[in-house]
Amino acid sequence: DGGITQSPKYLFRKEGQNVTLSCEQNLNHDAMYWYRQDPGQGLRLIYYSQIVNDFQKGDIAEGYSVSREKKESFPLTVTSAQKNPTAFYLCASNIWDASNQPQHFGDGTRLSIL
Amino acid sequence: KNEVEQSPQNLTAQEGEFITINCSYSVGISALHWLQQHPGGGIVSLFMLSSGKKKHGRLIATINIQEKHSSLHITASHPRDSAVYICAVFPDSNYQLIWGAGTKLIIKP
Repeated sequence: DGGITQSPKYLFRKEGQNVTLSCEQNLNHDAMYWYRQDPGQGLRLIYYSQIVNDFQKGDIAEGYSVSREKKESFPLTVTSAQKNPTAFYLCASNIWDASNQPQHFGDGTRLSIL
Repeated sequence: KNEVEQSPQNLTAQEGEFITINCSYSVGISALHWLQQHPGGGIVSLFMLSSGKKKHGRLIATINIQEKHSSLHITASHPRDSAVYICAVFPDSNYQLIWGAGTKLIIKP
Protein backbone atom coordinates (compact mmCIF):
# COMPACT_ATOMS: atom_id res chain seq x y z
CA ASP A 1 0.00 0.00 0.00
CA GLY A 2 1.19 3.51 -0.77
CA GLY A 3 1.76 5.94 2.03
CA ILE A 4 4.07 8.18 3.99
CA THR A 5 6.53 6.79 6.51
CA GLN A 6 8.00 8.97 9.21
CA SER A 7 10.76 7.82 11.51
CA PRO A 8 11.50 7.66 14.30
CA LYS A 9 8.20 7.85 16.14
CA TYR A 10 9.89 9.36 19.21
CA LEU A 11 13.14 11.31 19.26
CA PHE A 12 15.12 12.96 22.02
CA ARG A 13 17.57 15.79 21.50
CA LYS A 14 20.37 16.93 23.72
CA GLU A 15 21.36 20.56 24.05
CA GLY A 16 23.43 21.75 21.10
CA GLN A 17 22.63 18.71 19.00
CA ASN A 18 21.18 18.56 15.49
CA VAL A 19 18.66 15.81 14.83
CA THR A 20 17.15 14.63 11.55
CA LEU A 21 13.59 13.42 11.08
CA SER A 22 12.96 11.10 8.17
CA CYS A 23 10.01 11.28 5.77
CA GLU A 24 9.60 8.87 2.86
CA GLN A 25 6.62 8.54 0.49
CA ASN A 26 5.82 6.01 -2.21
CA LEU A 27 2.75 7.84 -3.55
CA ASN A 28 4.69 9.42 -6.43
CA HIS A 29 3.63 12.82 -5.11
CA ASP A 30 5.46 15.91 -6.31
CA ALA A 31 4.99 18.09 -3.24
CA MET A 32 6.06 17.38 0.31
CA TYR A 33 5.57 19.40 3.49
CA TRP A 34 6.80 19.58 7.05
CA TYR A 35 4.51 20.86 9.79
CA ARG A 36 4.98 21.50 13.46
CA GLN A 37 2.10 20.93 15.90
CA ASP A 38 2.05 22.36 19.40
CA PRO A 39 -0.72 21.66 21.94
CA GLY A 40 -3.85 23.71 21.32
CA GLN A 41 -2.53 25.21 18.09
CA GLY A 42 -3.10 24.58 14.45
CA LEU A 43 -0.41 23.04 12.28
CA ARG A 44 2.31 25.46 11.22
CA LEU A 45 4.26 25.04 8.01
CA ILE A 46 8.03 24.75 8.38
CA TYR A 47 9.19 23.98 4.82
CA TYR A 48 7.69 22.64 1.64
CA SER A 49 9.01 21.32 -1.63
CA GLN A 50 7.22 21.19 -4.97
CA ILE A 51 9.96 19.46 -6.91
CA VAL A 52 13.25 17.67 -6.42
CA ASN A 53 16.18 19.93 -5.53
CA ASP A 54 13.89 22.84 -4.68
CA PHE A 55 12.22 23.84 -1.43
CA GLN A 56 10.64 26.92 0.12
CA LYS A 57 10.46 28.29 3.64
CA GLY A 58 7.14 28.16 5.41
CA ASP A 59 5.97 30.30 8.29
CA ILE A 60 8.42 29.03 10.93
CA ALA A 61 11.56 27.91 9.08
CA GLU A 62 14.10 29.42 11.49
CA GLY A 63 16.18 26.73 13.19
CA TYR A 64 15.24 24.06 10.65
CA SER A 65 16.74 22.82 7.40
CA VAL A 66 15.59 20.40 4.70
CA SER A 67 16.79 18.71 1.55
CA ARG A 68 14.98 17.16 -1.41
CA GLU A 69 17.50 15.06 -3.31
CA LYS A 70 14.96 12.42 -4.26
CA LYS A 71 11.25 12.67 -5.02
CA GLU A 72 10.47 10.11 -2.35
CA SER A 73 12.39 11.68 0.50
CA PHE A 74 12.19 14.99 2.40
CA PRO A 75 14.23 14.85 5.62
CA LEU A 76 13.95 17.64 8.20
CA THR A 77 16.90 18.63 10.38
CA VAL A 78 16.15 20.39 13.65
CA THR A 79 19.29 22.38 14.36
CA SER A 80 20.67 23.62 17.66
CA ALA A 81 19.47 27.08 16.62
CA GLN A 82 15.89 25.96 17.22
CA LYS A 83 15.55 26.88 20.88
CA ASN A 84 12.15 25.33 21.48
CA PRO A 85 12.07 22.15 19.40
CA THR A 86 9.77 20.10 21.62
CA ALA A 87 6.73 19.44 19.43
CA PHE A 88 4.99 16.94 17.22
CA TYR A 89 6.27 16.99 13.63
CA LEU A 90 4.14 15.88 10.71
CA CYS A 91 5.19 15.23 7.14
CA ALA A 92 2.67 15.40 4.31
CA SER A 93 2.59 15.09 0.55
CA ASN A 94 0.24 15.71 -2.36
CA ILE A 95 0.03 16.02 -6.09
CA TRP A 96 1.12 19.49 -7.17
CA ASP A 97 -1.09 20.81 -9.92
CA ALA A 98 -3.45 23.68 -10.61
CA SER A 99 -6.17 22.32 -8.38
CA ASN A 100 -6.24 21.83 -4.64
CA GLN A 101 -5.29 18.29 -3.82
CA PRO A 102 -5.74 16.80 -0.36
CA GLN A 103 -2.57 16.21 1.59
CA HIS A 104 -1.65 12.76 2.85
CA PHE A 105 0.07 12.56 6.22
CA GLY A 106 2.54 10.37 8.00
CA ASP A 107 2.04 9.28 11.60
CA GLY A 108 4.36 11.94 12.98
CA THR A 109 7.51 12.18 15.07
CA ARG A 110 7.38 13.42 18.65
CA LEU A 111 10.57 15.33 19.53
CA SER A 112 11.54 16.07 23.11
CA ILE A 113 14.51 17.71 24.78
CA LEU A 114 16.64 15.72 27.22
CA LYS B 1 -7.52 36.86 15.32
CA ASN B 2 -6.88 33.51 13.62
CA GLU B 3 -8.00 33.23 10.02
CA VAL B 4 -9.61 29.85 10.72
CA GLU B 5 -11.60 29.42 13.91
CA GLN B 6 -13.11 26.16 15.11
CA SER B 7 -15.74 25.65 17.76
CA PRO B 8 -16.05 24.14 20.19
CA GLN B 9 -12.44 23.52 21.22
CA ASN B 10 -13.51 20.48 23.25
CA LEU B 11 -16.66 18.40 23.04
CA THR B 12 -17.73 15.45 25.15
CA ALA B 13 -20.89 13.56 24.26
CA GLN B 14 -22.64 10.27 24.88
CA GLU B 15 -22.63 7.49 22.36
CA GLY B 16 -25.44 7.90 19.84
CA GLU B 17 -25.61 11.69 20.00
CA PHE B 18 -25.58 13.89 16.90
CA ILE B 19 -22.36 15.89 16.80
CA THR B 20 -21.70 19.23 15.12
CA ILE B 21 -18.30 20.86 14.81
CA ASN B 22 -18.05 24.32 13.30
CA CYS B 23 -15.38 26.07 11.25
CA SER B 24 -15.41 29.77 10.36
CA TYR B 25 -12.82 31.50 8.23
CA SER B 26 -12.07 35.07 7.24
CA VAL B 27 -10.27 34.72 3.90
CA GLY B 28 -11.48 33.94 0.41
CA ILE B 29 -10.99 30.28 -0.27
CA SER B 30 -11.04 27.84 -3.12
CA ALA B 31 -11.68 24.77 -0.95
CA LEU B 32 -12.00 23.60 2.63
CA HIS B 33 -10.54 20.44 4.11
CA TRP B 34 -11.80 18.43 7.09
CA LEU B 35 -9.31 16.03 8.66
CA GLN B 36 -9.28 13.65 11.60
CA GLN B 37 -6.29 13.23 13.90
CA HIS B 38 -6.21 9.97 15.81
CA PRO B 39 -5.01 9.81 19.44
CA GLY B 40 -1.70 8.41 18.18
CA GLY B 41 -1.15 11.51 16.06
CA GLY B 42 -1.75 10.32 12.50
CA ILE B 43 -3.96 12.53 10.34
CA VAL B 44 -6.51 11.31 7.82
CA SER B 45 -8.34 13.39 5.25
CA LEU B 46 -12.13 13.19 5.60
CA PHE B 47 -13.52 15.66 3.08
CA MET B 48 -12.52 18.37 0.70
CA LEU B 49 -15.31 20.63 -0.44
CA SER B 50 -15.84 23.93 -2.15
CA SER B 51 -19.63 24.09 -2.15
CA GLY B 52 -22.71 22.35 -0.85
CA LYS B 53 -22.56 19.13 1.08
CA LYS B 54 -20.69 15.83 1.13
CA LYS B 55 -21.55 12.63 2.96
CA HIS B 56 -19.46 9.60 3.79
CA GLY B 57 -20.99 7.01 6.06
CA ARG B 58 -22.05 8.74 9.29
CA LEU B 59 -20.07 11.89 8.48
CA ILE B 60 -21.58 14.89 6.71
CA ALA B 61 -19.77 18.10 5.79
CA THR B 62 -21.43 21.28 4.64
CA ILE B 63 -20.07 24.60 3.53
CA ASN B 64 -21.61 28.04 3.00
CA ILE B 65 -19.15 30.09 0.97
CA GLN B 66 -21.11 33.35 1.37
CA GLU B 67 -21.12 33.04 5.16
CA LYS B 68 -17.55 31.67 5.26
CA HIS B 69 -18.64 28.77 7.41
CA SER B 70 -18.49 25.00 7.35
CA SER B 71 -19.86 22.31 9.64
CA LEU B 72 -18.91 18.70 10.20
CA HIS B 73 -21.68 16.48 11.52
CA ILE B 74 -21.44 12.97 12.93
CA THR B 75 -24.64 10.97 13.20
CA ALA B 76 -25.07 8.12 15.70
CA SER B 77 -21.72 8.90 17.29
CA HIS B 78 -19.55 6.07 18.57
CA PRO B 79 -16.56 5.95 20.94
CA ARG B 80 -14.31 5.18 17.97
CA ASP B 81 -15.18 8.65 16.62
CA SER B 82 -13.15 10.12 19.50
CA ALA B 83 -10.40 12.15 17.86
CA VAL B 84 -9.34 15.68 17.04
CA TYR B 85 -11.16 17.10 14.03
CA ILE B 86 -9.29 19.75 12.09
CA CYS B 87 -10.52 22.26 9.55
CA ALA B 88 -8.10 23.74 7.02
CA VAL B 89 -8.72 26.08 4.09
CA PHE B 90 -7.02 26.64 0.75
CA PRO B 91 -6.91 30.45 0.37
CA ASP B 92 -7.56 31.95 -3.06
CA SER B 93 -4.12 33.55 -3.05
CA ASN B 94 -1.93 30.44 -2.83
CA TYR B 95 -1.86 26.69 -2.35
CA GLN B 96 -0.77 26.70 1.29
CA LEU B 97 -3.35 25.48 3.76
CA ILE B 98 -4.40 27.65 6.71
CA TRP B 99 -5.15 25.42 9.67
CA GLY B 100 -7.66 25.60 12.48
CA ALA B 101 -6.57 24.58 15.98
CA GLY B 102 -8.81 21.53 16.01
CA THR B 103 -11.78 20.29 18.03
CA LYS B 104 -11.14 17.49 20.48
CA LEU B 105 -14.12 15.12 20.51
CA ILE B 106 -14.69 12.46 23.16
CA ILE B 107 -17.61 10.07 22.81
CA LYS B 108 -18.42 8.20 26.00
CA PRO B 109 -20.03 4.74 25.84
